[in-house]
Amino acid sequence: DIQMTQSPTSLSASVGDRVTITCRASQIINRYLNWYQHKPGKAPKLLIYAASSLQSGVPSRFSGSGSGTDFSLTIESLQPEDFATYYCQQSSGDSHTFGQGTNLEIK
Amino acid sequence: QLQLQESGPGLVTPSETLSLTCTVSGGSISSSPYYWAWIRQTPGKGLDWIANIYYSGTTNYNPSLKSRVTISLDTSKNQFSLKLNSVTAADTAVYSCARGGSHVHYAIDHWGRGTLVTVSS
Repeated sequence: DIQMTQSPTSLSASVGDRVTITCRASQIINRYLNWYQHKPGKAPKLLIYAASSLQSGVPSRFSGSGSGTDFSLTIESLQPEDFATYYCQQSSGDSHTFGQGTNLEIK
Repeated sequence: QLQLQESGPGLVTPSETLSLTCTVSGGSISSSPYYWAWIRQTPGKGLDWIANIYYSGTTNYNPSLKSRVTISLDTSKNQFSLKLNSVTAADTAVYSCARGGSHVHYAIDHWGRGTLVTVSS
């Protein structure tokens, strides 16, 4: 089973800041890495798939990079609506495991 | 527009079987290149992948749950289902159904709103 480790698990930032969240896989997953945004009481939202492809309708301030085992999600110029929990997920193995999540809070 | 709606009991007795159904509207569960999945979120914790099933019927399971889980398609009703047997309090969670596929590199692009299932006597 492929394990996904995100860091940090929590992050405080201000509107307008640039933030980066990282995700490491326990084995090579090529570019089978996805990022989701999750707000309380709502369904998670796909932001990035295939490590760096922006899902339709997602603002361009979100970007992803990486391949192999190390990946990152960057949010440029944080907006108030961006404060949420972010998850990475691998879709390489049979079981598509998630990272433990990063809670992005307002400073 | 694709919509997914979970249904099933909100309370299950320990050692019994949890059964949930996801009704899909706005698209066919028999269509390529999609798969249909169940994910859960336990209170205060993150997302836990349970299982998925492709339009073809091919299934994949979380190894830690595999011995207790069955996922299936009902194409006549455009639904798919989850059965989790021998439940314990640790299975209390919000269960969500979802769609993914190769069109988004096997990510998930549509989710249901989720349903809370509590395991308690």
